[in-house]
Amino acid sequence: AQSVTQLGSHVSVSEGALVLLRCNYSSSVPPYLFWYVQYPNQGLQLLLKYTSAATLVKGINGFEAEFKKSETSFHLTKPSAHMSDAAEYFCAVTGGSYIPTFGRGTSLIVHP
Amino acid sequence: EAGVTQSPTHLIKTRGQQATLRCSPISGHTSVYWYQQALGLGLQFLLWYDEGEERNRGNFPPRFSGRQFPNYSSELNVNALELEDSALYLCASSPRGTSGSEGKTQYFGPGTRLLVL
Repeated sequence: AQSVTQLGSHVSVSEGALVLLRCNYSSSVPPYLFWYVQYPNQGLQLLLKYTSAATLVKGINGFEAEFKKSETSFHLTKPSAHMSDAAEYFCAVTGGSYIPTFGRGTSLIVHP
Repeated sequence: EAGVTQSPTHLIKTRGQQATLRCSPISGHTSVYWYQQALGLGLQFLLWYDEGEERNRGNFPPRFSGRQFPNYSSELNVNALELEDSALYLCASSPRGTSGSEGKTQYFGPGTRLLVL
């Protein structure tokens, strides 16, 4: 069984501030973890993925995420937010299944 | 390399009609997944096709069906449309036969927005 919880349906930050989007997962087998971004009226774009090669994963657009097994977390961060980062972010987990379980999404709002 | 493509981008139907949505996966990908993204409900898994066969389906009624063609493109059919079928329908593909994480990484298309009046 697998599940994902994204804490906070909305996160608001000022431009230039740290972005932190939280994701906790559960999986009965070692997981693969993903972060996707969705801009308005578009599909999902893969930001980064955890594959067990390294616990700190760097993705596109300056985002990174750290896998913490003891905390069953895979939080997404970016040191300095840009206005263009405003979007919906989805965390997903897949373990033994080929069908990922997605979180409900977190809407990132960036204020000038 | 071309990404996942979907057509049409928008579709307007009336209640009771049928809708057909199409998806072309990334070249070399054999698996196609369909999701429904209704307002406020997140991504709901609909169907998974691989190598021409339906491998799994989500908790949706039988009026949601589809198929995968020999070139791995796929079609989603929704019969007897209801107002609550209005949503963004997303298609994703993955190279299922590839080992490790890549075989389980899904790449999404831009979606088809279906509006049922």
